[in-house]
Amino acid sequence: KQEVTQIPAALSVPEGENLVLNCSFTDSAIYNLQWFRQDPGKGLTSLLLIQSSQREQTSGRLNASLDKSSGRSTLYIAASQPGDSATYLCAVSKETSGSRLTFGEGTQLTVNP
Amino acid sequence: NAGVTQTPKFRILKIGQSMTLQCTQDMNHNYMYWYRQDPGMGLKLIYYSVGAGITDKGEVPNGYNVSRSTTEDFPLRLELAAPSQTSVYFCASSYSIGESWKGYTFGSGTRLTVV
Repeated sequence: KQEVTQIPAALSVPEGENLVLNCSFTDSAIYNLQWFRQDPGKGLTSLLLIQSSQREQTSGRLNASLDKSSGRSTLYIAASQPGDSATYLCAVSKETSGSRLTFGEGTQLTVNP
Repeated sequence: NAGVTQTPKFRILKIGQSMTLQCTQDMNHNYMYWYRQDPGMGLKLIYYSVGAGITDKGEVPNGYNVSRSTTEDFPLRLELAAPSQTSVYFCASSYSIGESWKGYTFGSGTRLTVV
């Protein structure tokens, strides 16, 4: 059974700091990995999707890397801003359809002005 | 486009009552899902559907039922509500046909409390 773990569970940083969120998974036979953002009382917003054949994806100040063989992914946030405060979830899928995600428990990020 | 719409946003149920959580998407996505999220936890898959008329169990299906009579709608039925079903429920959709794939779109969630 796939297990997804995110470390740390919570992180508080001052504005402007660069930071890294970690995600590990036990079964390396994945098709893709996604990072989501969840704001309080809201649904999830997809941030980045990495296919198993890729090593990383970038969107603005966000960069996600994937090392499938070691079962790890990192989400790098550059020059953090208070608006980045949210819970970040990673999820993996074993299917080529990208369906049926297995989620980690999330990292709650607070960026202090 | 509205995306994925869930109703209601909040609901309090008494133990033993039943209810249906509604979910509608207007993106013509073939896949639809129901997840639940307990406090401080990640999301767990309850049921999913790969198209109209086809549904299958996820990781935590006990106590729930679903149907998919149309592409747009995927209601989740709770029978005989129990306190363990207190959670936030998210509906989501995605699209996958052959090489074409569009990622997940989530609804804003239904917060259910069973007392």
